[in-house]
Amino acid sequence: SQKIEQNSEALNIQEGKTATLTCNYTNYSPAYLQWYRQDPGRGPVFLLLIRENEKEKRKERLKVTFDTTLKQSLFHITASQPADSATYLCALLNQAGTALIFGKGTTLSVSS
Amino acid sequence: SAVISQKPSRDICQRGTSLTIQCQVDSQVTMMFWYRQQPGQSLTLIATANQGSEATYESGFVIDKFPISRPNLTFSTLTVSNMSPEDSSIYLCSVEDVGFSGNTIYFGEGSWLTVV
Repeated sequence: SQKIEQNSEALNIQEGKTATLTCNYTNYSPAYLQWYRQDPGRGPVFLLLIRENEKEKRKERLKVTFDTTLKQSLFHITASQPADSATYLCALLNQAGTALIFGKGTTLSVSS
Repeated sequence: SAVISQKPSRDICQRGTSLTIQCQVDSQVTMMFWYRQQPGQSLTLIATANQGSEATYESGFVIDKFPISRPNLTFSTLTVSNMSPEDSSIYLCSVEDVGFSGNTIYFGEGSWLTVV
């Protein structure tokens, strides 16, 4: 079965720095991978989707890379702000193509 | 994107009772899902709610424990039956938006259940 690992449960950085979060997956090559943000007490919110034939995708201060050889996606937040503090989840479609499976998430804390 | 409303947003339930969570979407959607997020854990798919037919359950989840209804393309309910403290969790309704680049999932705010 598919397995998703987000390499750290928590990441603490200083405001203005770039945060880099890692998502690794095994046993399957998804057609695309997604990143979500979840704030405490709230449902996840979609951020970015990157397809297998895309190396990189950007949205404002967010950048996602997708390396299908390494089976890894990196999620970057540049010029981080305290408002970026949240849990970030990566997700990919299950092999049946019927639903998303999620990693456990990395909780980012940006201090001013 | 779809706007998803869930009720109740939060509840404290007695052991052995059942609770039904409602999910209303502001537009017709083909795919609706129910996820569970236990404390400190990620989201786990319970089932896909199929309109007009029985829900499709993931491994580890059964209809007797989590009966689901989907009477139309904008509404679904999830019942958590015969609750125990292990059922304390956030239950999330979600819908799928099929776009050019791939499928995106939109979530409701979740229903926080605490079983005492």
